[in-house]
Amino acid sequence: AQSVTQLGSHVSVSEGALVLLRCNYSSSVPPYLFWYVQYPNQGLQLLLKYTSAATLVKGINGFEAEFKKSETSFHLTKPSAHMSDAAEYFCAVTPQGGSEKLVFGKGTKLTVNP
Amino acid sequence: DTAVSQTPKYLVTQMGNDKSIKCEQNLGHDTMYWYKQDSKKFLKIMFSYNNKELIINETVPNRFSPKSPDKAHLNLHINSLELGDSAVYFCASCRQAQETQYFGPGTRLLVL
Repeated sequence: AQSVTQLGSHVSVSEGALVLLRCNYSSSVPPYLFWYVQYPNQGLQLLLKYTSAATLVKGINGFEAEFKKSETSFHLTKPSAHMSDAAEYFCAVTPQGGSEKLVFGKGTKLTVNP
Repeated sequence: DTAVSQTPKYLVTQMGNDKSIKCEQNLGHDTMYWYKQDSKKFLKIMFSYNNKELIINETVPNRFSPKSPDKAHLNLHINSLELGDSAVYFCASCRQAQETQYFGPGTRLLVL
């Protein structure tokens, strides 16, 4: 079975500061990993995904994430936060070659202070 | 030209009523999903259909019945609505398993 743990339900940063949102996964088989963003009152939008190619994945809006198998982590980073980055971020996992079920973490709400 | 659309966007109803939520995707995808997001923002899959065939059916009460009339549509019918059904319901679609899922804007259901 797959599971995702997102450390920190709330993260607050200043505008221009580094953004680091943590995601650890558990999977009995090699996983595919995703980060989605949800802006207020909207659906989810894909930021980036890892599908066993490069371990450092670049996404939209300047975000990137690094797959570290030894640490079972897939943390999301952005060098410089912008006010428009304020949103809820979800990490998700699905097994490679397995069922289509996408398992989400509980989400991290990012606040960006001016 | 919305990729995944849901109707209605908001739904306020009384306990015990029956209601339906509709989802349509114009991406040509084969697989569609229903997710429930609770008040704490936790997202959980409910159902998955591939080419009109039910693939995933999580432990969802029988009061929830999905229906896929064709590949582009996946509707969700809920009987005898309960207070605990209040949530945001998201429809999503993808081309095939493990690929990116595209989400609709959500239907905010409030049961009074």
